[in-house]
Amino acid sequence: DARVTQTPRHKVTEMGQEVTMRCQPILGHNTVFWYRQTMMQGLELLAYFRNRAPLDDSGMPKDRFSAEMPDATLATLKIQPSEPRDSAVYFCASGLALGQSVMHEQYFGPGTRLTVT
Amino acid sequence: AQSVAQPEDQVKVAEGNPLTVKCTYSVSGNPYLFWYVQYPNRGLQFLLKYITGDNLVKGSYGFEAEFNKSQTSFHLKKPSALVSDSALYFCAVRDSYGNNRLAFGKGNQVVVIP
Repeated sequence: DARVTQTPRHKVTEMGQEVTMRCQPILGHNTVFWYRQTMMQGLELLAYFRNRAPLDDSGMPKDRFSAEMPDATLATLKIQPSEPRDSAVYFCASGLALGQSVMHEQYFGPGTRLTVT
Repeated sequence: AQSVAQPEDQVKVAEGNPLTVKCTYSVSGNPYLFWYVQYPNRGLQFLLKYITGDNLVKGSYGFEAEFNKSQTSFHLKKPSALVSDSALYFCAVRDSYGNNRLAFGKGNQVVVIP
């Protein structure tokens, strides 16, 4: 049963600290997405990668957020320094892009619940 | 840019009654449409999608959705709701031009009353 995995599941940190969230996409998937979910804003796309290359990170605050894919089995999202307004659930999703478009659905991980105090 | 509207915050229905969750969309060109469900403290799970073909799409757990191009709608339906269907439901759309971005609606909380 292939799944997207995310670590950690929960993270509590103090303002100013660095936070790193990790995602392992489903094996064989070549597109990875990072989302943030809050009660106020709903589900927001932060960034996405195809074949490990960043295609769009316009939804991400550039001064403190960074996203990378060191290899095909690992995606990371870092916040440095973290702020209380970053408190949210962060989801990773992966999908399979066929040709020039994503024809298949996205598969979501269980999320990382981040609390910044 | 593509967008989705889910006009109701909450949908309440008695168990055994039909369930409808509404979604309208805006997109350039032909839409690719999706429904996802989120249970508490879980990630989103794919329910069904419309890419092309029959306007009535069947998905997981007895759900179906009807694509209506003239009304730009993609309402989710289930003939007989279960208490276990209580969850948050998201409609999403993307265009057919190779843009991989999915635009999600704000979600609808479905409450099925025993």
